[in-house]
Order: sequence, then structure tokens, then C-alpha cells
Amino acid sequence: EAGVAQSPRYKIIEKRQSVAFWCNPISGHATLYWYQQILGQGPKLLIQFQNNGVVDDSQLPKDRFSAERLKGVDSTLKIQPAKLEDSAVYLCASSLDPANRGPGETQYFGPGTRLLVL
Amino acid sequence: AQSVTQLDSHVSVSEGTPVLLRCNYSSSYSPSLFWYVQHPNKGLQLLLKYTSAATLVKGINGFEAEFKKSETSFHLTKPSAHMSDAAEYFCVVSEIGNEKLTFGTGTRLTIIP
Repeated sequence: EAGVAQSPRYKIIEKRQSVAFWCNPISGHATLYWYQQILGQGPKLLIQFQNNGVVDDSQLPKDRFSAERLKGVDSTLKIQPAKLEDSAVYLCASSLDPANRGPGETQYFGPGTRLLVL
Repeated sequence: AQSVTQLDSHVSVSEGTPVLLRCNYSSSYSPSLFWYVQHPNKGLQLLLKYTSAATLVKGINGFEAEFKKSETSFHLTKPSAHMSDAAEYFCVVSEIGNEKLTFGTGTRLTIIP
């Protein structure tokens, strides 16, 4: 079974530029998550999708970050304009549809995109 | 509100000796608890999880953890460390009915040859 795919793996940009990350979840997984992991910290949830609808985006800095999942499968996360403090690893994860999962359903993570803002 | 505290930011053990990574949690409701491992430049991988069944949970690669409600702890152990265990380990909590994961700050495990 293929895992969660993310691209690019690495990105270096200058501040005030824009950048986009792509994620393709495990086939059949209805729920998709984007996390931000700053060096030395645990991942922090940015946004959660259920199919193509947003479930939780309370931690997403909406003045510069946006995300979409138009067809309920793959997703893009965009930053515009980027700031120095956005340097981090951006992780995508997916899990089964809530109707088909039990308590503590496992989230499966992709390899991440490492972003450096100069 | 839910949270986890990983009591050690860095643990070093000799190869072949036991591993103990400590985690305390805080949760308003019945929690689910997880341990994830992150090797350099790799994605997070689930080691094991507790979801209100058996309190002693066995995971992959010989790891196990025990849920202790009275101590609000979920420490990760392994009887004998291997060089390949060197990685960052995250303790994670979610509440039943809420898929949101809250991660600890991580414990870096170093294995001394």
C-alpha cells in the first residue's frame, strides 16, 4: 500500500515570496491534515479536512496561509507571503473516514516538506 | 484541554541496555495515547497506541508502554536498545471523539555503541 506522498521534499525561498506544498493521501482516506513542525518542537495542527470540507482551521494563520482540497483527494498548502518564522517542516497526514474508524484512529504521515525562508 | 509533557528532551543509553522514555498527559476525557518515532529526514511512524483496552500496549520493534491512569503517565520502554532505535520520539494524546492530536516536544534517543 502506498503511503502519504508529499512534494517537494525541500524548498528554499526568500521572505515575502510565495510557496506551495502538495500532498496525496493514502487511497481511501477521507481525512487529511496539515501540520507545521518547527525545529525542536512537536508537530502542530494547521488544518484538518474531511473529504473536501474544512473541519478545523483554528490554528491556521489565515492572513498568509491557505489550503484547499478541491476534489476530496490531494491537497495543497500555500504560504503568501512567507516570513522567516515559517521555516519549518510541513507534514501531511491522513486517516480513515470517521464512520469507518474506531477510537484513536491512526494518522499516517508523509515524509514532509522542509521549508527554509531566508 | 489536552496536553502531554515529555519529561526528558534527550536520553542516552548504551546498546543492549533498557530504554525508558517518560510521558505524562493531561486530558479532560478518556484519552487515546500514542507514541510516534521520527528518524532523520523520515516521516513520523506509529510505534504503538492505547485506546482504553489493555493498559499494557505492545508496539513494533520491541517497544511497549503502560497506561497508568492514577499517575497520568504513558512511559515507553524497551528491554534492550539497538543502534537503529536512535531517533526522536513523540508522545501524543487525543480525546475519544476528537481526532485532534496534541504532540509533546519530543525526546531524542541516542544509542551509545
